[in-house]
Order: sequence, then structure tokens, then C-alpha cells
Amino acid sequence: DAGITQSPRYKITETGRQVTLMCHQTWSHSYMFWYRQDLGHGLRLIYYSAAADITDKGEVPDGYVVSRSKTENFPLTLESATRSQTSVYFCASSDNPVTDTQYFGPGTRLTVL
Amino acid sequence: GEDVEQSLFLSVREGDSSVINCTYTDSSSTYLYWYKQEPGAGLQLLTYIFSNMDMKQDQRLTVLLNKKDKHLSLRIADTQTGDSAIYFCAVWYSSASKIIFGSGTRLSIRP
Repeated sequence: DAGITQSPRYKITETGRQVTLMCHQTWSHSYMFWYRQDLGHGLRLIYYSAAADITDKGEVPDGYVVSRSKTENFPLTLESATRSQTSVYFCASSDNPVTDTQYFGPGTRLTVL
Repeated sequence: GEDVEQSLFLSVREGDSSVINCTYTDSSSTYLYWYKQEPGAGLQLLTYIFSNMDMKQDQRLTVLLNKKDKHLSLRIADTQTGDSAIYFCAVWYSSASKIIFGSGTRLSIRP
């Protein structure tokens, strides 16, 4: 399927477990992003990547790890999940984050018990 | 610091105009965006405006930019039920090389 996909769409896990959220895009966009969406906070950038093997921190990177070994994939790992990481996570990609739109995935709803 | 602020809720009658407002802090902003998020979906770009423009019109959408007051607005003419969504203002901060999103305005349409 063309576009940007996220998996899983829904995930329930327990405090302390490791969780990986997957993001895949078929456009070969250079840039990829991870956001979390929380009521009252809007979208906050967790990490972003300008190209394969290049990643950088956003506003709220603590507790998260990313990698970008291939241009099309940008997985987000919660090394030891906490309840405060319960959120909706959106992945996005773009050719140029300034002049082009960011294309968003459908989101992953993560609940940490 | 970099900040983008919006009111959380707006309710309008079907057929009226909706005006969603946004304020930002960094005068070095070059691009400003409006995204729409429908229930259960990701965000989609509606329109954007470059900082050397005061206004941009695209069918029912009008974007106004007041650089002096650092104020951006989105006007939706003849609001329809399909316009019910959360609307996010976003600003490209040149000084930090990143986009900052506002908290989103939930637009509700009354019959």
C-alpha cells in the first residue's frame, strides 16, 4: 500500500515493558517524525530524522529511542514504558518540512497500565 | 521560547463563518500552516502561508497573517457539518529549524 502506515493501531502494555511502534512510508521521503498527541498539549515532537542514520531529539525525547537504518522505516521504542507515555502517537514524513506538507500516519493509541 | 497558542473549542452554526485564531512567539517564522484532524485520523495539511504574505484564499478558506501582532487566523466560509474536526496551527521556527504545533481547536457545528 502506498502512503504512510503505522502498526499496531492499538496497544495496551504494562509499566516497565519495552514497546516498539512501527512506521513505514513508501514515498522515499527524507524526513520522518514522531509526535505524541495529548489533550491540552496538541502535538509534541519526540524525535525526527532528516535521512537514514540521522536522528535528532524533539521537544519530549526522554524515555524514547529511535533508529533509521532504512529510509522507509522509522521505529519508535519505549524502553521501559511508564503511565505518562499513554498517548496517541503519530508518525509523519516529508520531503521538505518547511515547504512541503508533512504526511501523517493514522496513529497508534498506546495505553500503559 | 517557541510557543503556538490556540483556543481549545469553537462552536458555530451551520452556514455561518468560522474563525479559528492562533498566536505565536517567534518573529523569525517563515511558514505558517493550518492542519485538519478528523476523528480517528492523522493530520492533513489544509493550507499554508509564507510570512511575506498577509492573506491567502483557497475556496472557502481564508488565512490572515498579522506579523506585527504574531497572529494567524483561519476563516471557513459557509461552515458545513463536514468541517467538524480539530484544527491545528503550526509554525516553522527558523531559529530552531523545526515546526511547532498548537494544541488544536475543536470546531463543532450546530444545526
